[in-house]
Amino acid sequence: GEDVEQSLFLSVREGDSSVINCTYTDSSSTYLYWYKQEPGAGLQLLTYIFSNMDMKQDQRLTVLLNKKDKHLSLRIADTQTGDSAIYFCAESYNTDKLIFGTGTRLQVFP
Amino acid sequence: ETGVTQSPTHLIKTRGQQVTLRCSSQSGHNTVSWYQQALGQGPQFIFQYYREEENGRGNFPPRFSGLQFPNYSSELNVNALELDDSALYLCASSLDGLAGVGTGELFFGEGSRLTVL
Repeated sequence: GEDVEQSLFLSVREGDSSVINCTYTDSSSTYLYWYKQEPGAGLQLLTYIFSNMDMKQDQRLTVLLNKKDKHLSLRIADTQTGDSAIYFCAESYNTDKLIFGTGTRLQVFP
Repeated sequence: ETGVTQSPTHLIKTRGQQVTLRCSSQSGHNTVSWYQQALGQGPQFIFQYYREEENGRGNFPPRFSGLQFPNYSSELNVNALELDDSALYLCASSLDGLAGVGTGELFFGEGSRLTVL
């Protein structure tokens, strides 16, 4: 079955690193994504990773994929107050739809 | 800021009524997907339209229906509204039926927030 799980809330101090975790159940997923949603806004694609990769780095963002454990994480280095938002993990198999997690609310305090 | 526009941004309906939500896709995109995001939840796939045909559907009842027009804009129609239909409805556009991962070409609009009383 299709299910994506995330912890609901994460609070970090400005300048620290944030790590947001996600587990998924569909081993046939070929693409995994991280989206950001700010209040009153739509979804912004932050980064994605193919299932045959272990890691992807894009500026302050690092994605780690453990396919054996079906675990995906997003690390944000030097977290800023502007990073405060809800972060969604999503997976897809045949690319016609995304399966989203419930989202992790990241709060960054000074 | 993406080129995907949705209307209306907010609306209030009562149970049993019908609603139509509209989406204009990004220029050059021929595929529109609709998602429902209930409060505190992640978006759930409703259906996708590619070149005016339904191209995949999630676990939503038939009272959720859609259209895509020759200019690739789209409508989401919901009949016999229920309280649980209250949600943010998101439209996303992409090219050729793909989730857009290869080029990051999947763009979401800001959504239409529907409240059913």
